[in-house]
Amino acid sequence: QKEVEQNSGPLSVPEGAIASLNCTYSDRVSQSFFWYRQYSGKSPELIMSIYSNGDKEDGRFTAQLNKASQYVSLLIRDSQPSDSATYLCAVKVGGADGLTFGKGTHLIIQP
Amino acid sequence: KAGVTQTPRYLIKTRGQQVTLSCSPISGHRSVSWYQQTPGQGLQFLFEYFSETQRNKGNFPGRFSGRQFSNSRSEMNVSTLELGDSALYLCASSYTGGSYEQYFGPGTRLTVT
Repeated sequence: QKEVEQNSGPLSVPEGAIASLNCTYSDRVSQSFFWYRQYSGKSPELIMSIYSNGDKEDGRFTAQLNKASQYVSLLIRDSQPSDSATYLCAVKVGGADGLTFGKGTHLIIQP
Repeated sequence: KAGVTQTPRYLIKTRGQQVTLSCSPISGHRSVSWYQQTPGQGLQFLFEYFSETQRNKGNFPGRFSGRQFSNSRSEMNVSTLELGDSALYLCASSYTGGSYEQYFGPGTRLTVT
């Protein structure tokens, strides 16, 4: 059974600092990895996708993937109060099934 | 470009009834996936449709069904509603199977009493 694990938090980070969110997955053949942000009462919003080992940067966000360790992370630089949300890690295995989501990490950026 | 739209946004139904939810994907997107989100189970995959065919299905009972039309719009149906079906139902669209980047609609909040 495919599993995606995230620390539920809350993870509290001071404004301006780097927030580090982590995710591990169980299925070694997982191919595609995504980070979604979900504000309370809203639907998930795609913020990053990563498909190969290494780092991928987009503005203040950096996704890191290590397939050997079955680990994917999201770094948020210069954290802002507006970054306070639940961050969902999602994994897709080839063409089968839909996305498998972790339960999410609740991030709080303290002004 | 307009995003994914879902109707209705809120629904209240009684146990035993059935319900149909609708989703219109982003223009040009041919794949539509449905998810159920609850506080206890999180986001769970229901099914995916591509070119009017169900391509994948999650681990949900047969009471949950769906279809996709030639214009890529999709509907999901839940028959014989149970209290445990109360959830946020989310539709996500993607261009095709390649990158699997999925974009979510606002969701339909279903309450079963």
